[in-house]
Amino acid sequence: EAQVTQNPRYLITVTGKKLTVTCSQNMNHEYMSWYRQDPGLGLRQIYYSMNVEVTDKGDVPEGYKVSRKEKRNFPLILESPSPNQTSLYFCASSSLPSGTGNEKLFFGSGTQLSVL
Amino acid sequence: QKEVEQNSGPLSVPEGAIASLNCTYSDRGSQSFFWYRQYSGKSPELIMFIYSNGDKEDGRFTAQLNKASQYVSLLIRDSQPSDSATYLCAGADNNAGNMLTFGGGTRLMVKP
Repeated sequence: EAQVTQNPRYLITVTGKKLTVTCSQNMNHEYMSWYRQDPGLGLRQIYYSMNVEVTDKGDVPEGYKVSRKEKRNFPLILESPSPNQTSLYFCASSSLPSGTGNEKLFFGSGTQLSVL
Repeated sequence: QKEVEQNSGPLSVPEGAIASLNCTYSDRGSQSFFWYRQYSGKSPELIMFIYSNGDKEDGRFTAQLNKASQYVSLLIRDSQPSDSATYLCAGADNNAGNMLTFGGGTRLMVKP
């Protein structure tokens, strides 16, 4: 089954404690991306990757890191989480960045992060 | 700064009525537009995409694009309670890596 697997589903942590949210896709997609979703603000892109070892900043990259050492994995790293990073996070993948035409974006199931 | 604007709602319609969801965008470079549906606590799923002026129909859904007015809409005919969700509009600039810019979403409530 084609899917984007994201873990954990829920995470509660404290300020400053490093954490990693994992994302893996089994569709051999070149493009992967991380979004955060906050009420009324829609999905805002954090980082994206066009291929292995190629990553770039999205609209809200501050406080986040990513890596793309393998095509299937794209972890999101918060080195020193702060309360303003409390949000719902989604990983997504596609053959093309926008899901142009029929090449839609596949989303993970989301990670609800709370930073106390 | 590229922006995609949506009324946050909630938009409430009775079952069987037509629901009209609207979206405006500021970037004239945006060429493709997408409507995603997101149920509460779930991930977004693509409903429709459109890149030509005019209407595009798929079952009960019709997407409309007016590039001159920088306006995109989604019509849902014969609305059902199962259509109750948040609808996200997104635009992509094919000349800027096709990155998607999402609107804040409109919450739709279809009442039985």
